Amino acid sequence: EVQLMESGGGLVQPGGSLRLSCSVSGSTCNNCALNWVRQAPGQGLEWVAGISDSGGTTFYADSVKGRLTISRDNSKNTLFLQMTSLRAEDTAIYYCAQSWEWAYFDNWGQGTLVTVSS
Amino acid sequence: EIVLTQSPEFQSVTPKEKVTITCRASQTIGSSLHWYQQKPRQSPKLLIKYASQSMSGVPSRFSGSGSGTDFTLTINSLEAEDAATYYCHQSSSLPFTFGPGTKVDIK
Repeated sequence: EVQLMESGGGLVQPGGSLRLSCSVSGSTCNNCALNWVRQAPGQGLEWVAGISDSGGTTFYADSVKGRLTISRDNSKNTLFLQMTSLRAEDTAIYYCAQSWEWAYFDNWGQGTLVTVSS
Repeated sequence: EIVLTQSPEFQSVTPKEKVTITCRASQTIGSSLHWYQQKPRQSPKLLIKYASQSMSGVPSRFSGSGSGTDFTLTINSLEAEDAATYYCHQSSSLPFTFGPGTKVDIK
């Protein structure tokens, strides 16, 4: 089974930047994409971005397009989310989640909290 | 964007009671609908994939059905450990979207 562990969350001022990481360990999965899903305090789940197993294909939610960038380093088994021009509404727990063939999210990390506030 | 609506928003249930949660999609999505359980302070857990396929290790009291635009998650004989928020999720088209969630509380 795959284990996912996020890191890099914290407090950042509006307009600031932050880089999240997700370490992937355990069994490898072909045809598996990696995604970021966030959850604002007391709210539901929102898919943010996804990247294919090769890293050659990326997709974004409209709410983050142009500000957040997903990438992965397969040599280090790590997923990233570069966050820029952060807004208060980006405050959330960010989960790393594996999806099989862009379908269901079958493995999730424990999440990392990002707080955007002055 | 495909919008998912869930009902009810909240349900308070007695143990051993049956729970039915519905998820409706704003357009047809075939069977590309998945269900998750999220307990307080935990990450979501996949229960059902493709509308009706139970994940390994998920208790048999959980089942899913439906296709097209209307889907149902059923919990037969609710147990105290099932207190959680349940979300549906569609992977038919981007952006992937989730329903707003149904909170199930134990009386």
